[in-house]
Amino acid sequence: KNQVEQSPQSLIILEGKNCTLQCNYTVSPFSNLRWYKQDTGRGPVSLTIMTFSENTKSNGRYTATLDADTKQSSLHITASQLSDSASYICVVSLTGGFKTIFGAGTRLFVKA
Amino acid sequence: EAQVTQNPRYLITVTGKKLTVTCSQNMNHEYMSWYRQDPGLGLRQIYYSMNVEVTDKGDVPEGYKVSRKEKRNFPLILESPSPNQTSLYFCASSSLARDRSYEQYFGPGTRLTVT
Repeated sequence: KNQVEQSPQSLIILEGKNCTLQCNYTVSPFSNLRWYKQDTGRGPVSLTIMTFSENTKSNGRYTATLDADTKQSSLHITASQLSDSASYICVVSLTGGFKTIFGAGTRLFVKA
Repeated sequence: EAQVTQNPRYLITVTGKKLTVTCSQNMNHEYMSWYRQDPGLGLRQIYYSMNVEVTDKGDVPEGYKVSRKEKRNFPLILESPSPNQTSLYFCASSSLARDRSYEQYFGPGTRLTVT
């Protein structure tokens, strides 16, 4: 069964600290993996996109890694800010890119 | 401004009363999709469309219909809504990027309550 599992379910960190969110998937055939940020009540916004041949992708303070062999990805946030408080969703697309499987997300709270 | 719009943003209705949620994009994207988001479950794909007159079921299509008569519009139809369709709905669109990444752009969401 195609699944995307994220951990932790929620996380609280202090402003300025770093954190890493995890994503494991069993989706096949794999096309690409994306990380999205979703503020409460709003649509997800893309942070990074990686195909199976890419190991890492950065977007400002966000760095995503992908290990296609172990089917694991991580999202590292550096020097967190209060505005980073949101849900972070890992999304895997099947070959062709049209069928997508979403993880349940990690809810991140950044405290002052 | 490039965007995906949804209407209405909020809707409260009663069981069995047909409704339509509209979705429109101005980016000339071929691909459009509908998702529902429920607490603890993440987004689940309802239907998607690869182009005009081409639609396919996602993971949770039961109780929903879609149509794609024009490239920019992809309405979601609930012929006979039931309380278990109370959810937050998102429409998304994407085009074939140069790196074939299929990045999706999401609308603002429609919060539907069926009583």
